Amino acid sequence: DIVMTQSPDSLAVSLGERATINCKSSQSVLYSSNNKNFLAWYQQKPGQPPKLLIYWASTRESGVPDRFSGSGSGTDFTLTISSLQAEDVAVYYCQQYYSTQYTFGQGTKLEIK
Amino acid sequence: EVQLVESGGGLVKPGGSLRLPCAASGFTFSTYSMNWVRQAPGKGLEWISYISTSNSKTYYADSVKGRFTISRDNARNSLYLQMNSLRDEDTAVYYCAREGDSGSYEVYWGQGTLVTVSS
Repeated sequence: DIVMTQSPDSLAVSLGERATINCKSSQSVLYSSNNKNFLAWYQQKPGQPPKLLIYWASTRESGVPDRFSGSGSGTDFTLTISSLQAEDVAVYYCQQYYSTQYTFGQGTKLEIK
Repeated sequence: EVQLVESGGGLVKPGGSLRLPCAASGFTFSTYSMNWVRQAPGKGLEWISYISTSNSKTYYADSVKGRFTISRDNARNSLYLQMNSLRDEDTAVYYCAREGDSGSYEVYWGQGTLVTVSS
């Protein structure tokens, strides 16, 4: 299985400041034939199902605010929120869909400082 | 509007069985692969199973392989998860999720159904 490890486990950021969440995979999720990284980011608020934010490591899902961005390739990825808003308080997960056993990171809890 | 509605959750004893249906609407069900993802109380997300559009390919997490079976009925726009030999650690909210147009990321999720395994 591909193991996904996120850092940090929790993060407190001031409103309007940048938040950065990291995700590392135990093996590359870059598919050489199409040069795409099979990596997605989700946001989950309490009592709600997850919401897709980013796929192919850096493609923003329709309707997701442009303050959310994804970057990285191979085994190291980053989700950045450029200017934290109150409604961004949530748990964030990365997921690889490269192998036939998709796996999630353990989650990063984002709070307001 | 895409809708996914899970049902069938409840309290079951260890060793018991349960079948979870997921009713899909608002899209052409037969053209999308589907997944089940679960979340134990207070814990993170765990992908548990995938099924291709025509039932030809199914994949499972090691934690459920041999005990759970994913299936679909494209004529009824329904996805299923048959869970056998249930254990305490299978207690979780179970979500069905639809894949994206271009890849296996989960775009649409149901609200989930809670399965509690306890004696």
